[in-house]
Amino acid sequence: DSGVTQTPKHLITATGQRVTLRCSPRSGDLSVYWYQQSLDQGLQFLIQYYNGEERAKGNILERFSAQQFPDLHSELNLSSLELGDSALYFCASSVGLAGPHEQFFGPGTRLTVL
Amino acid sequence: AQKITQTQPGMFVQEKEAVTLDCTYDTSDPSYGLFWYKQPSSGEMIFLIYQGSYDQQNATEGRYSLNFQKARKSANLVISASQLGDSAMYFCALTGGFKTIFGAGTRLFVKA
Repeated sequence: DSGVTQTPKHLITATGQRVTLRCSPRSGDLSVYWYQQSLDQGLQFLIQYYNGEERAKGNILERFSAQQFPDLHSELNLSSLELGDSALYFCASSVGLAGPHEQFFGPGTRLTVL
Repeated sequence: AQKITQTQPGMFVQEKEAVTLDCTYDTSDPSYGLFWYKQPSSGEMIFLIYQGSYDQQNATEGRYSLNFQKARKSANLVISASQLGDSAMYFCALTGGFKTIFGAGTRLFVKA
């Protein structure tokens, strides 16, 4: 158990819908990262937050947004869902802002868009 | 720009033997870290080992060791005494600045 929690574990929805994925980092970790893992794209970095502020953006679509709240939990919002958004979404946390800090992953949320 | 490459899509190893999973990288950041993660069929990402760019010695964690050759920009994972439970996908990751990138992964099959 990494100490990072993600809810829900599984999510099935339809195209065009909007969903919210939730992540609670390990106690003491200030950075939260979101990743998307799909069969064709591999593991892709989406976005990083540190202590409530966005710090880095990766391959995140405009239809996706995220935020980190004062209690450090984070939410990833996915809207206007398409079939291709079906993937495993991971949240990870680390203690630091940048540089070589280990990232500990949550169990992931498996999103299926029908 | 950062780049990370895992050239072995799949590897087979006999139980109790050692295996090396290759990882090469490229980055312009002077300070960076290299990680290996294991992803079993259940899907979770398990942190295995970390090597910092300024670390003088190769990292070791139990049966895992990282063969870090900075000049060659390689960070190979060595698993000693393979076990059946080591069968999984293994990802090499590079983190530097504010970004982390992952390799395509190597699927390891341990044969009894």
